[in-house]
Amino acid sequence: EDKVVQSPLSLVVHEGDTVTLNCSYEVTNFRSLLWYKQEKKAPTFLFMLTSSGIEKKSGRLSSILDKKELSSILNITATQTGDSAIYLCAVEAIQGAQKLVFGQGTRLTINP
Amino acid sequence: ETGVTQSPTHLIKTRGQQVTLRCSSQSGHNTVSWYQQALGQGPQFIFQYYREEENGRGNFPPRFSGLQFPNYSSELNVNALELDDSALYLCASSLLVVSDTQYFGPGTRLTVL
Repeated sequence: EDKVVQSPLSLVVHEGDTVTLNCSYEVTNFRSLLWYKQEKKAPTFLFMLTSSGIEKKSGRLSSILDKKELSSILNITATQTGDSAIYLCAVEAIQGAQKLVFGQGTRLTINP
Repeated sequence: ETGVTQSPTHLIKTRGQQVTLRCSSQSGHNTVSWYQQALGQGPQFIFQYYREEENGRGNFPPRFSGLQFPNYSSELNVNALELDDSALYLCASSLLVVSDTQYFGPGTRLTVL
């Protein structure tokens, strides 16, 4: 059965710290790995990763995929209180449909 | 904001009732997927619609059904509601049916009493 596991489940840090969120997966017919940020309701798209070893960056956020280790990390540098959210990792598995298999999420809290 | 809209925002139903949730996809997107997110969990794939046809389904019973209309908007219907159906229901639209970013709507919070 397709599975995505995120760690840690919860993380509390101080503003300005750097955090690393982890995602590992076991999925047949892997196509891509996506990161989303969920603050209240709608998950908002951060990154889509398809190639191993290529880092994607957007401001203070960056992510990289390791297909050999079946994992990805999401880094956030110089954290701000606005980064407080649930970060979801999802893997796209093609089984007829473009099905996203999500992990449980990491709840990140940034204290001022 | 993604341009994906959902209605209603909140809904309270009792066990055994039926519910219809609605989703309008982002302009130009012909693929809509529905997910169920229970409290403290990641979203779970219910099904996907592409050009008005069901294009794949997750591990949900037949009492979860859907429709997609010619304008690509979509409905999720749930019959014989159970307490465990209480969740946030998210729809997501994408331009391509595979390997394309899915953009999520704000969700409908369903509470079953």
